[in-house]
Amino acid sequence: QKEVEQDPGPLSVPEGAIVSLNCTYSNSAFQYFMWYRQYSRKGPELLMYTYSSGNKEDGRFTAQVDKSSKYISLFIRDSQPSDSATYLCAPGGGSNYKLTFGKGTLLTVNP
Amino acid sequence: ETGVTQTPRHLVMGMTNKKSLKCEQHLGHNAMYWYKQSAKKPLELMFVYSLEERVENNSVPSRFSPECPNSSHLFLHLHTLQPEDSALYLCASSQWSSGRSHEQFFGPGTRLTVL
Repeated sequence: QKEVEQDPGPLSVPEGAIVSLNCTYSNSAFQYFMWYRQYSRKGPELLMYTYSSGNKEDGRFTAQVDKSSKYISLFIRDSQPSDSATYLCAPGGGSNYKLTFGKGTLLTVNP
Repeated sequence: ETGVTQTPRHLVMGMTNKKSLKCEQHLGHNAMYWYKQSAKKPLELMFVYSLEERVENNSVPSRFSPECPNSSHLFLHLHTLQPEDSALYLCASSQWSSGRSHEQFFGPGTRLTVL
């Protein structure tokens, strides 16, 4: 079983839709759950992260972690064409710097 | 300059060439990272430096040689590469402390093609 599984998509939605991006993981030691956004031909950009379980909201974005089911989610409300990018989940351990990246989900928001 | 910068942005080299990738961070961080991003594969951590000391060498072939002369600069020296080494090489930086080292900030990457 891979440490982090992420559906690569592609996912195509109309502008204004609610988008749900998800990852599952196997390592119960993960405590940090990062989300990166990567535009084409650019480096990954840290979008937001949560520590341990629960939700975190930042504008149109909500990150959610369910440690009991080892499930990570990123919700985008009122999606915009500028949200079109690859979204990478990257959980990490406690005091350790290591992040384990998913393969990324390619999202396209159509005007 | 702001954030993390990388040069060159694109590099084409033959298998017998020697080249170097450069990374510079302007964020006041004290840890720097090299990652490899290949098509349809997750980002792979290659090397980690904390306070200019290498703390991770993730089973990377010796044809890749990192150098960290200070906390703001990181190099990746390349020699006798193979075509399968063609990828996007990403540099990142962070604070080296518990709870902060996960907040890694990436540069734009160097797109490397090995012929």
